[in-house]
Amino acid sequence: DADVTQTPRNRITKTGKRIMLECSQTKGHDRMYWYRQDPGLGLRLIYYSFDVKDINKGEISDGYSVSRQAQAKFSLSLESAIPNQTALYFCATSAGTGGRQPQHFGDGTRLSIL
Amino acid sequence: AQSVTQPDIHITVSEGASLELRCNYSYGATPYLFWYVQSPGQGLQLLLKYFSGDTLVQGIKGFEAEFKRSQSSFNLRKPSVHWSDAAEYFCAVGGAGNKLVFGAGTILRVKS
Repeated sequence: DADVTQTPRNRITKTGKRIMLECSQTKGHDRMYWYRQDPGLGLRLIYYSFDVKDINKGEISDGYSVSRQAQAKFSLSLESAIPNQTALYFCATSAGTGGRQPQHFGDGTRLSIL
Repeated sequence: AQSVTQPDIHITVSEGASLELRCNYSYGATPYLFWYVQSPGQGLQLLLKYFSGDTLVQGIKGFEAEFKRSQSSFNLRKPSVHWSDAAEYFCAVGGAGNKLVFGAGTILRVKS
């Protein structure tokens, strides 16, 4: 079984709909992250969480919200989806402190908004 | 704020040839540097990392990278490329709070 699991893997929806992407991990890491990937732009950080009570905005948080339900679960929501949120979304986890800990990624959710 | 530049969007090499993917970073303190690989339909897999010490680091799948502080570079190399190495490669710099900043990626194509 994957250490970082994202559901769903693919989703097609319409403009204005509310969408939730879920991430769960079995690595026991405290830190979790949500990124979006767009061609030619690499990965950009949406939100990150250092523990259940600590949630922080990343560089592109507008239009998104998150919920850390437990150490192992971190959900990303699009309250009212718009077409330019069509992208590949990744969840990641890391242990420890500082910038030296590598992040471990799920397989991604491909989201299309029509 | 940290940033990463990968100058090459696409690179094509012949199977068996050597490979070098370029990465330049900007960061005010000692950087933590990473290379990740993404195969189609999959997440990012860590190839190697640099924190301190020996500037030549070895990773998985026969990859290595060299940290050059004077050039702010962390280039990825492999002596002999295999067809299975075709993928997208990302360089990243880590700073405070475990936040990673990624480059735009380099797509590697391998021709037989």
